Amino acid sequence: GQQLNQSPQSMFIQEGEDVSMNCTSSSIFNTWLWYKQDPGEGPVLLIALYKAGELTSNGRLTAQFGITRKDSFLNISASIPSDVGIYFCAGHGSSNTGKLIFGQGTTLQVKP
Amino acid sequence: NAGVMQNPRHLVRRRGQEARLRCSPMKGHSHVYWYRQLPEEGLKFMVYLQKENIIDESGMPKERFSAEFPKEGPSILRIQQVVRGDSAAYFCASSGANEKLFFGSGTQLSVL
Repeated sequence: GQQLNQSPQSMFIQEGEDVSMNCTSSSIFNTWLWYKQDPGEGPVLLIALYKAGELTSNGRLTAQFGITRKDSFLNISASIPSDVGIYFCAGHGSSNTGKLIFGQGTTLQVKP
Repeated sequence: NAGVMQNPRHLVRRRGQEARLRCSPMKGHSHVYWYRQLPEEGLKFMVYLQKENIIDESGMPKERFSAEFPKEGPSILRIQQVVRGDSAAYFCASSGANEKLFFGSGTQLSVL
């Protein structure tokens, strides 16, 4: 089946630094979504992307849908301690059944 | 405007018992999805339902697991004769027509 490869697996950065993480696939995805999960909670939607090449921002977060439709990245600028958590990319594949496929997640830790 | 509601938050069962997990979608949403998450892993798709219909159950184990979304009432994920390997966090998500999935806080199932 379709899979998403997310990297890096984990990051440990200083407060104020910028962060970048990405997601790739060997097959085409029709949509890309980025979620954040805090411990003991469900994922919360950060950004949704629907068109190849689309660049969307949400506050300090920026995400892009790759031109080839096989990748996406998420940038976080000027990180703060509350950015700590696990970030997941997710996408709807070509089957279009509504099923959302998730990457393995990037664990972000921010040092004050 | 309540989000996706899942209960119970924590469920403890002994091997061989049945587990019933409930999910009430966001108001106006008619699509429900169930995902399973093991510690330090991403979310794995289990099943996608619309009112009274199973649309995609490709992620459901063939035995012991079933799901329903009746015309009235919450969606139910039912696990019969639980085993230790069923211990995980189970998340429900709902969506409307725009394919953005919104997740509940999950049910942590522990099998003793």
